[in-house]
Amino acid sequence: DTGVSQDPRHKITKRGQNVTFRCDPISEHNRLYWYRQTLGQGPEFLTYFQNEAQLEKSRLLSDRFSAERPKGSFSTLEIQRTEQGDSAMYLCASSLDPKGAEKLFFGSGTQLSVL
Amino acid sequence: GESVGLHLPTLSVQEGDNSIINCAYSNSASDYFIWYKQESGKGPQFIIDIRSNMDKRQGQRVTVLLNKTVKHLSLQIAATQPGDSAVYFCAEKRYSTLTFGKGTMLLVSP
Repeated sequence: DTGVSQDPRHKITKRGQNVTFRCDPISEHNRLYWYRQTLGQGPEFLTYFQNEAQLEKSRLLSDRFSAERPKGSFSTLEIQRTEQGDSAMYLCASSLDPKGAEKLFFGSGTQLSVL
Repeated sequence: GESVGLHLPTLSVQEGDNSIINCAYSNSASDYFIWYKQESGKGPQFIIDIRSNMDKRQGQRVTVLLNKTVKHLSLQIAATQPGDSAVYFCAEKRYSTLTFGKGTMLLVSP
């Protein structure tokens, strides 16, 4: 158990609906990342936070996606007007020390299916 | 190894054999290279990393080799165990972003 908790584990929604996922990182970790993973592919970077500040967003990230980390602890990822192409595993990761290789601890992910 | 339905390269080994998983990377400016292991239904788990100015690093039962001339990274697992069965990803780190490769599935037969 890595200690990063994600909720829900699975989400099925209809196209056009909004969905929100939650991530609780390891408590002392100040960096939090969101990644997306489709079947057979490696995780793809979406965005990351240093404490409550969102420092980088992938330029591939649609404006339908928004992430927050209001108090520098848990984070939410919202997808508005979902599309079938949004179906994927959404992974959250946290880290303590950004120096060096920066060991990321991943949660088990939220599997999104858009019908 | 042969491809499976997910179009992942697959390496099949017997328990106790040594495994070598290979990865080609693209960005010469990456600062670190990292190997992650992902078991079914779980998120990736850090295994070992190597800084770009090194060519070899050893951990417990694992060794990572970096060949910058041909942009090649490998992960060697000694005395492979059934619990090593998973998908293995190499990743490059530049600034604060990790870029993952496609992954190799390792299947270990008892």
